[in-house]
Amino acid sequence: VLTQSPATLSLSPGERATLSCRASQDIRGSLAWYQQKVGQAPRLLIYDASNRATGIPARFSGTGSGTDFTLTISSLEPEDFAVYYCQQRRTWPLTFGGGTKVEIK
Amino acid sequence: EVQLSESGGGLVQPGGSLRLSCGVSGITFSDYGMNWVRQPPGKGLEWVSHISDTGDDTHYVDSVRGRFTVSRDNSKSTLYLQMNSLRAEDTATYYCTRSRWDVWGQGTTVTVSS
Repeated sequence: VLTQSPATLSLSPGERATLSCRASQDIRGSLAWYQQKVGQAPRLLIYDASNRATGIPARFSGTGSGTDFTLTISSLEPEDFAVYYCQQRRTWPLTFGGGTKVEIK
Repeated sequence: EVQLSESGGGLVQPGGSLRLSCGVSGITFSDYGMNWVRQPPGKGLEWVSHISDTGDDTHYVDSVRGRFTVSRDNSKSTLYLQMNSLRAEDTATYYCTRSRWDVWGQGTTVTVSS
């Protein structure tokens, strides 16, 4: 089970966003982060806990291993307001967290 | 450019069947495992199924095991999801994605309702 917190994060453009994902068991570094906007498919941001996917801006960073992981957006841009999901790829069944909505304050 | 395109969604009665397809272009399809992921209206993402590059290894989420079957035709660069004994809780947008998870289709909507 993956638990994301907070459920909603209300911030202003330019602020720093810190999103948490906690696994119920050790998943080593097998964690990914996705961004999803309304009406769109998810977009891969981070894989293997800390590696940015192709084309992802440097303001997105991922850290963590074991059971505790963090996605940080260093300075929010207007296009960053969306829902973010974590996903573990360590064991079957693969699972997603419940999501964190980053909304404009 | 890598493109994935799902089709086959629609409205079906409880207990009915549908077959989803995912056409893939821009890559060597047989080099990649593939996944189906679904998203009920207004809710989060749920991984549904995985199939290996050769098709000889498959995995399912417990809620669909025994009802859904994933398959692929590498000669046609197409992924399938046969969905039987459909339930209301299967209502969702279904996405296909390759095993790198970096490219997703636009999704196809399945509605199970009488």
